[in-house]
Amino acid sequence: DTAVSQTPKYLVTQMGNDKSIKCEQNLGHDTMYWYKQDSKKFLKIMFSYNNKELIINETVPNRFSPKSPDKAHLNLHINSLELGDSAVYFCASSSLTGFSVAFFGQGTRLTVV
Amino acid sequence: DAKTTQPNSMESNEEEPVHLPCNHSTISGTDYIHWYRQLPSQGPEYVIHGLTSNVNNRMASLAIAEDRKSSTLILHRATLRDAAVYYCILRRTNAGGTSYGKLTFGQGTILTVHP
Repeated sequence: DTAVSQTPKYLVTQMGNDKSIKCEQNLGHDTMYWYKQDSKKFLKIMFSYNNKELIINETVPNRFSPKSPDKAHLNLHINSLELGDSAVYFCASSSLTGFSVAFFGQGTRLTVV
Repeated sequence: DAKTTQPNSMESNEEEPVHLPCNHSTISGTDYIHWYRQLPSQGPEYVIHGLTSNVNNRMASLAIAEDRKSSTLILHRATLRDAAVYYCILRRTNAGGTSYGKLTFGQGTILTVHP
């Protein structure tokens, strides 16, 4: 079983479209994250949810809206996609109680054309 | 978040040990030293972590300087599968403060392993 799974793995779409990326973790963690890796390979956190509540919201355009229906799922919806949104998006999970490493998904490569 | 500094790239031959350095001169007392690596086309994966003492696990060893201002990740026998970007990250040990367990990635060290 995959610990952190993201769908889709690849996403090619036109500018202006709205798209969603889904993430699920089966590790029983209480916290999930979205990271973005740009073309220069820098990984940067975007959002984090703890038990369905938003706890980290970095400087991200409000076209990006995370949604956590339960603590095992964290989805990322992007409105009005722009060329600069092209990147690899990684979902991760960990626990904030005690020590816990972060587990990452395989990533979703988003290409906006 | 306290910053870490790593060499941009390193090279090794297969079956030889690799020592990946990391400087973190502004580390605070509550920061653990974490190492993650990212294999090509994959998400980052945890390698090892430590606070003050040297640590060993099945993947690697972590040597931490006495003043904690630097550390070294040691791969005892590099294999081709170890070719990856290695990230040295400082992370708060618990949920206290505003870090909420997030990882602040630097540019990492690209490790190339030659057959």
